[in-house]
Amino acid sequence: DVKVTQSSRYLVKRTGEKVFLECVQDMDHENMFWYRQDPGLGLRLIYFSYDVKMKEKGDIPEGYSVSREKKERFSLILESASTNQTSMYLCASSFSDSVYEQYFGPGTRLTVT
Amino acid sequence: QKEVEQNSGPLSVPEGAIASLNCTYSDRGSQSFFWYRQYSGKSPELIMSIYSNGDKEDGRFTAQLNKASQYVSLLIRDSQPSDSATYLCAVTGTASKLTFGTGTRLQVTL
Repeated sequence: DVKVTQSSRYLVKRTGEKVFLECVQDMDHENMFWYRQDPGLGLRLIYFSYDVKMKEKGDIPEGYSVSREKKERFSLILESASTNQTSMYLCASSFSDSVYEQYFGPGTRLTVT
Repeated sequence: QKEVEQNSGPLSVPEGAIASLNCTYSDRGSQSFFWYRQYSGKSPELIMSIYSNGDKEDGRFTAQLNKASQYVSLLIRDSQPSDSATYLCAVTGTASKLTFGTGTRLQVTL
């Protein structure tokens, strides 16, 4: 059974703080993704990675960076958190031969005050 | 125009009825189409994928694709209260990424 875990379910940070969101998958998936989900806007892709140390920008990368030092772990970094980054953050992973059949983690509800 | 459009609902159907969820997309180059189910407070889970025109059945679920009309739908037969969730349509585009609709909320009433 595929398992994607995220470091926190709920997180509250202050404006200007550096925030780290961690995602770990245990299925040896090559691909990993970070999305945010907002009411009325749906799921939007922030960054994705097809391999270790590789990253690609998604639709809304501004204000975010990522790190993938190991195959199973993909981190999302908010360099200086702002209130408009309050959102639900979802990590997903998939095999390289079925990129779009993605398995999602439980999500992190981030509130920036 | 949004890339993937869905009626937000809620779509209310009685238990045992057929629920019909619809999705249109704008990129004619889209090749792969997916339906994800998301229960309230949970993350999305993949329930159906379809890659060619026509119907694809899996248990009580049928996905239908019409590329000429840029239309994909999901039928749920014998709807159960446990089917109450938000259903997300997702489409691949020329940029080789998945684009999600905002979802249709389905309510199955007793």
